Amino acid sequence: AQKITQTQPGMFVQEKEAVTLDCTYDTSDPSYGLFWYKQPSSGEMIFLIYQGSYDQQNATEGRYSLNFQKARKSANLVISASQLGDSAMYFCAMRLYTSGTYKYIFGTGTRLKVLA
Amino acid sequence: DAGITQSPRHKVTETGTPVTLRCHQTENHRYMYWYRQDPGHGLRLIHYSYGVKDTDKGEVSDGYSVSRSKTEDFLLTLESATSSQTSVYFCAIRPGLGDTQYFGPGTRLTVL
Repeated sequence: AQKITQTQPGMFVQEKEAVTLDCTYDTSDPSYGLFWYKQPSSGEMIFLIYQGSYDQQNATEGRYSLNFQKARKSANLVISASQLGDSAMYFCAMRLYTSGTYKYIFGTGTRLKVLA
Repeated sequence: DAGITQSPRHKVTETGTPVTLRCHQTENHRYMYWYRQDPGHGLRLIHYSYGVKDTDKGEVSDGYSVSRSKTEDFLLTLESATSSQTSVYFCAIRPGLGDTQYFGPGTRLTVL
């Protein structure tokens, strides 16, 4: 079954420290995309970072990096130098291509709290 | 800014009434999606569209219907709202270039 699993419902991190949010995925498709979104308390869904299944290098966007381990089927998000504004819900998602159309599935999310 | 708007942004309705939510995009993207977000479930796909009059069901489509008569608008209808459909509803688009989905601001629906 195609699935995204986020096993950490909540996490705390001290300001200025790095934090890793876990995501594992399950698919037998050779081509897929992996994403992370941030949802602050205001409710909007903000795209953070993308990794394609054929990309050799791990994706990075500023303080965000995606630790892509294909053999382990994991796509963990690393946030370096955490800031108070990083406190939010974080969702991992996967893009699939099935029956000629693009679909996306999401994990249940991890709530991150950054402590001053 | 992905140019996606949703209306209404908030709605309170009563059980058994019909409700239509609208998603509007300004960029003529082919793919549009409706999700619901509930605590402990993340985002779950209700329906999606891959062109005008081309729609398909997602994992939680029971009780919902959609229509897409123009590229820019994707409507989600609850024919007879139930309390279990109280949720936050997000619309999303997939631009033609690249893999990333972009989301609208969401609609908070309460069914009493």
